[in-house]
Amino acid sequence: QKEVEQNSGPLSVPEGAIASLNCTYSDRGSQSFFWYRQYSGKSPELIMSIYSNGDKEDGRFTAQLNKASQYVSLLIRDSQPSDSATYLCAVTPGYSTLTFGKGTMLLVSP
Amino acid sequence: NAGVTQTPKFRILKIGQSMTLQCTQDMNHNYMYWYRQDPGMGLKLIYYSVGAGITDKGEVPNGYNVSRSTTEDFPLRLELAAPSQTSVYFCASRPRGLDGELFFGEGSRLTVL
Repeated sequence: QKEVEQNSGPLSVPEGAIASLNCTYSDRGSQSFFWYRQYSGKSPELIMSIYSNGDKEDGRFTAQLNKASQYVSLLIRDSQPSDSATYLCAVTPGYSTLTFGKGTMLLVSP
Repeated sequence: NAGVTQTPKFRILKIGQSMTLQCTQDMNHNYMYWYRQDPGMGLKLIYYSVGAGITDKGEVPNGYNVSRSTTEDFPLRLELAAPSQTSVYFCASRPRGLDGELFFGEGSRLTVL
C-alpha cells in the first residue's frame, strides 16, 4: 500500500507568520509531487507542483522536495486568514493515478 | 467551458437502493477519476479511466461500477447502497501529460440511511 502521511493538525499560525506543512511518502518510485488546497465544503485545487529535489517558489508559496528522505513540504509566507484551509499532499508513482494524504488543516488567525 | 460537472449535488439513499452519479467534462481530457472523501480523511481513489472504453480499479472499488463509453462522460454506479458509502464523491479529469493537475467537479454528497 503506497502511503502519503501528513499531520492532520490543525496548525494554527498568526497572520503574517510562516506556515510550514509537511508530508512523507512511502513509495520511492514516486515521480511527481503536488500540494492541493481545499476550502471547507469545496473541491480541491492545485496550488503547487514539484518534480525535482530542492525548492520551488511561486509567490508566497514554496514547495520543498527531498527524495532521499521521501519528504515534501509547503511553506506559506506572510500567511493570511484566506489561507485557512486543508492542504492535501499528493504524489504519483509514475502511473496514471494520484495518491493523496489525509490533509493538514491550517488556521490563520487575524 | 463548464469544466467538470457532477450531478446530483446531494442525494439521500435508503440501504439497498442503487443510483448513478453522473460526471461529464468538456475539456477533452483523456483521464478521468472518481474519488471519495470521508470526514477528516483524504481522497480515496475508487475507479479511473485513461480513455474511452478503458477503466481500472483504484484503492476502494468494492460496491461501485463505472463505464466510459465517451471521452466526456464517466458515470459511477452504486449498487445495493450501504451506510459505509456515505461520503462526498469527487469526479476529476486531467489531460494527458499533466500527471498531477486534476480538475475537480464540485462534489456529490451522498447519505445512505
